[in-house]
Amino acid sequence: DTAVSQTPKYLVTQMGNDKSIKCEQNLGHDTMYWYKQDSKKFLKIMFSYNNKELIINETVPNRFSPKSPDKAHLNLHINSLELGDSAVYFCASSQGRSGGPNTGELFFGEGSRLTVL
Amino acid sequence: DQQVKQNSPSLSVQEGRISILNCDYTNSMFDYFLWYKKYPAEGPTFLISISSIKDKNEDGRFTVFLNKSAKHLSLHIVPSQPGDSAVYFCAAVNTGTASKLTFGTGTRLQVTL
Repeated sequence: DTAVSQTPKYLVTQMGNDKSIKCEQNLGHDTMYWYKQDSKKFLKIMFSYNNKELIINETVPNRFSPKSPDKAHLNLHINSLELGDSAVYFCASSQGRSGGPNTGELFFGEGSRLTVL
Repeated sequence: DQQVKQNSPSLSVQEGRISILNCDYTNSMFDYFLWYKKYPAEGPTFLISISSIKDKNEDGRFTVFLNKSAKHLSLHIVPSQPGDSAVYFCAAVNTGTASKLTFGTGTRLQVTL
């Protein structure tokens, strides 16, 4: 029974299209995240939601819009896809606001590999 | 600005020997450090952590050492096993703020027979 699940795992699309990646966690955690791992293997946070409230919003183009319908779901919608958006996107969750002590560490999904042609 | 650095992209170690993975950080506000392990086509999984009030934390074959004055931490795996072959990410966080984990770029460990 997967704790943090993302769909789709692979996504190939053309420039200019709009796409969504869905994430669900069944751990009862309060906080969910989207991380991006680019071609240089940097894992960078994009967004974080705590109980459906946006708490971290890094410098990300506004073509990226997260949506959290409830605390178990955090979806990522990307408009007008560009070549540079090609990356692996990881969803994660934690109990509490950060991946540190007293709040629990981050649990990651398997990642969604997005390829923009 | 890369605040967490793992300068060795890869490391090869024989089975049974010690693996030492290194990590340096620049932000003195970081007070909690974690190591994550990642297999291909999977998400990172938490391995071990250490608070800045300690200089060592041990969990079975895994030990993390922290040298605050040098802003350096290391992960020791003894003895190394083939199943340890993975990418290891160092991460750091300032728990006092609405903080986020900052990750290094990872070190690929290959444990050979």
